[in-house]
Amino acid sequence: DADVTQTPRNRITKTGKRIMLECSQTKGHDRMYWYRQDPGLGLRLIYYSFDVKDINKGEISDGYSVSRQAQAKFSLSLESAIPNQTALYFCATSDPNRGEQYFGPGTRLTVT
Amino acid sequence: ELKVEQNPLFLSMQEGKNYTIYCNYSTTSDRLYWYRQDPGKSLESLFVLLSNGAVKQEGRLMASLDTKARLSTLHITAAVHDLSATYFCAGYMRFGAGTRLTVKP
Repeated sequence: DADVTQTPRNRITKTGKRIMLECSQTKGHDRMYWYRQDPGLGLRLIYYSFDVKDINKGEISDGYSVSRQAQAKFSLSLESAIPNQTALYFCATSDPNRGEQYFGPGTRLTVT
Repeated sequence: ELKVEQNPLFLSMQEGKNYTIYCNYSTTSDRLYWYRQDPGKSLESLFVLLSNGAVKQEGRLMASLDTKARLSTLHITAAVHDLSATYFCAGYMRFGAGTRLTVKP
């Protein structure tokens, strides 16, 4: 079984709709992250969380919110989706010692 | 604020050739990461470089870190088609734009 899972894997939604992307991990790490990937821009950090009570904005948090329901679960919400939020979204977790990140399979989101 | 720049962004090379991808970063960092992404897939960790002078090798790939120059390199030796992918370097929570490598027969 995958260490980091994301649901849904693909989603098409309309402008103005609220949408939630979910992430679960079984690696037992406290640290979790949400990124978006756009062609030519690499990955950009949206939010990160170092434990259940810790939530921090990343580079591009506007238009997004997150919820850390448990050590293993970290959800990303788009309160009112807009077309320029069309992207590939990745959840990740990391070991605090080495810092390398373990990524989920990604969610491809299209906002029409 | 850490900025990470990779070059080249696109690399087309012949099988059997050698090449180097460069990664410059803007502020002091004692660690640097390399990831690989195959088309339509997620990212997987290739190398974790934790100190100045660190060198890691896996197969035809070798990564190094020079913290004084704020430079990491990913060297490809005798490229094969299976190495075709996008390679990202990253500092802590900051990624470069990626280098799309295509290896042609």
